[in-house]
Amino acid sequence: NAGVTQTPKFQVLKTGQSMTLQCAQDMNHEYMSWYRQDPGMGLRLIHYSVGAGITDQGEVPNGYNVSRSTTEDFPLRLLSAAPSQTSVYFCASTLDRERPLHFGNGTRLTVT
Amino acid sequence: EDQVTQSPEALRLQEGESSSLNCSYTVSGLRGLFWYRQDPGKGPEFLFTLYSAGEEKEKERLKATLTKKESFLHITAPKPEDSATYLCAVQVGGATNKLIFGTGTLLAVQP
Repeated sequence: NAGVTQTPKFQVLKTGQSMTLQCAQDMNHEYMSWYRQDPGMGLRLIHYSVGAGITDQGEVPNGYNVSRSTTEDFPLRLLSAAPSQTSVYFCASTLDRERPLHFGNGTRLTVT
Repeated sequence: EDQVTQSPEALRLQEGESSSLNCSYTVSGLRGLFWYRQDPGKGPEFLFTLYSAGEEKEKERLKATLTKKESFLHITAPKPEDSATYLCAVQVGGATNKLIFGTGTLLAVQP
């Protein structure tokens, strides 16, 4: 039981490049979400999904896209990276929104 | 506006020196309050959930308590392995139904 797995652990992008951050969970959780963590700020919700085929925006969705074709996977796409997207990104999952979240170990992204 | 504030931002303790971390909140409709521990380079790890004022939860050297305005994470006789960032998060009910994280308290326990 691996829990929530995120890849890659580190990534450097140039402004304007695109990439996908991968997230997979093996706990059969319906709810999955993406957060970004920046110094001096609390974790902020980017996008979330309550089940396969259903996604919605969180607090800071601009510049990011998501899809949820299976229960297990919830990738986050950056279409045109900007320096403001330099951050640590965490994927999290849970059975439902009011239960504790299980987090992956994050992807540290730098956009130059 | 819904808000969650943690204090202090950083705390340095000697091994065995007990203390408390604070999480104060102003939200419209508390559904639950969560405490997480985050080690450097890792994702947050769940510690406790509290649902109503007066509730307490314990785990080893940690005890979490909840009032109508704040939560405390009490650390009794800490050890160096308790060093981490401690995050609290408040689940807000009603139409918003969102989870608001505080900025965390960085705890360092010196041997």
